[in-house]
Amino acid sequence: ETGVTQTPRHLVMGMTNKKSLKCEQHLGHNAMYWYKQSAKKPLELMFVYNFKEQTENNSVPSRFSPECPNSSHLFLHLHTLQPEDSALYLCASSQDPGGVQETQYFGPGTRLLVL
Amino acid sequence: DQQVKQNSPSLSVQEGRISILNCDYTNSMFDYFLWYKKYPAEGPTFLISISSIKDKNEDGRFTVFLNKSAKHLSLHIVPSQPGDSAVYFCAARSGSNYQLIWGAGTKLIIKP
Repeated sequence: ETGVTQTPRHLVMGMTNKKSLKCEQHLGHNAMYWYKQSAKKPLELMFVYNFKEQTENNSVPSRFSPECPNSSHLFLHLHTLQPEDSALYLCASSQDPGGVQETQYFGPGTRLLVL
Repeated sequence: DQQVKQNSPSLSVQEGRISILNCDYTNSMFDYFLWYKKYPAEGPTFLISISSIKDKNEDGRFTVFLNKSAKHLSLHIVPSQPGDSAVYFCAARSGSNYQLIWGAGTKLIIKP
């Protein structure tokens, strides 16, 4: 049990669909992250929220829209995705982003397939 | 251009022997390094870390070595156990920048 949960675990969607990924952390952390992991590639940071404020947006296409209503919940809204967006989407949280020796804790991920 | 590289996509080791996973980096500003382990259908879990002021950090069967002049770190697992079979990711960051830069991972297979 990592303390970070993600739903759904698997998602298949067409290019015209709208769907949302949900992440919840039960660790009392202040920061939450969205990562994308494509096959055999490094994890790519997409978005960072620190105390509910977005602090990082790594040139992510606007078809991905994050939402952080509170420090425990994070959403990723998906709209008109492309097949190359198929990947594992990982959520993470941490207590003190940028702090010495701080560690990120990950959820199990959502495996997304765009047809 | 990848700043953190794990050049071995996979590694196979006999149970009980030593597993050595390697990681190279290019950014001399990196000062904190982490290893994560990932099982299928699970997210990465933190394993061990090392600050650039040290050259070695040990936690049970896991030891991380850092060679700053070579910009190289390695993870040693002794003795290797079947439950160690997983994908291992190396990650690095610099200063107070919370963004981790990740390697592509090495799949470790422990043979019985």
